[in-house]
Amino acid sequence: DQQVKQNSPSLSVQEGRISILNCDYTNSMFDYFLWYKKYPAEGPTFLISISSIKDKNEDGRFTVFLNKSAKHLSLHIVPSQPGDSAVYFCAAVGNQFYFGTGTSLTVIP
Amino acid sequence: GAVVSQHPSWVICKSGTSVKIECRSLDFQATTMFWYRQFPKQSLMLMATSNEGSKATYEQGVEKDKFLINHASLTLSTLTVTSAHPEDSSFYICSALRTRNTGELFFGEGSRLTVL
Repeated sequence: DQQVKQNSPSLSVQEGRISILNCDYTNSMFDYFLWYKKYPAEGPTFLISISSIKDKNEDGRFTVFLNKSAKHLSLHIVPSQPGDSAVYFCAAVGNQFYFGTGTSLTVIP
Repeated sequence: GAVVSQHPSWVICKSGTSVKIECRSLDFQATTMFWYRQFPKQSLMLMATSNEGSKATYEQGVEKDKFLINHASLTLSTLTVTSAHPEDSSFYICSALRTRNTGELFFGEGSRLTVL
């Protein structure tokens, strides 16, 4: 049973608009959550994290929102740029790591 | 969905001993697997890329003689931490590439290594 789900395998957004990537989880005991970005043929790079005691964390164009009651996590990228085109993974951390299956974002120039 | 399994999920060992971690793709063949090291709240650090039937490609700064990687079959890659020391304590995570064309990547749940 998958504990972290990214239900949208792909997303296309126009350059300059907002990209919203979603992630749902099942275990309310996770300590913190992470978003990674991955380009082809490279390892995932860390983007942003959020502790389970917070509901928002912002870093430049990237903002992560955590809705604990809904067990929902989202990553907002504003404004979206073509270089943001990549696969985005969310991960939840407790005793182990639980990764979603990724959402492929395409930002159209 | 595709599943990647790591074993053991948690291991404690004495300094100087070697520890082997397995990464298995349970329902697909993975010609390429990746090994990462995860420090708390930091980036997933790519250690090496493991290709079935050939030598692993290590990232800069990763000691290949210390972190031995073997990808002997299309469903199994192993990471052996040789002569482990306390500074090797970390989460080690693998991922498996299901197809080269689509780039579907599935992660294991990590193996927590604690070296005493």
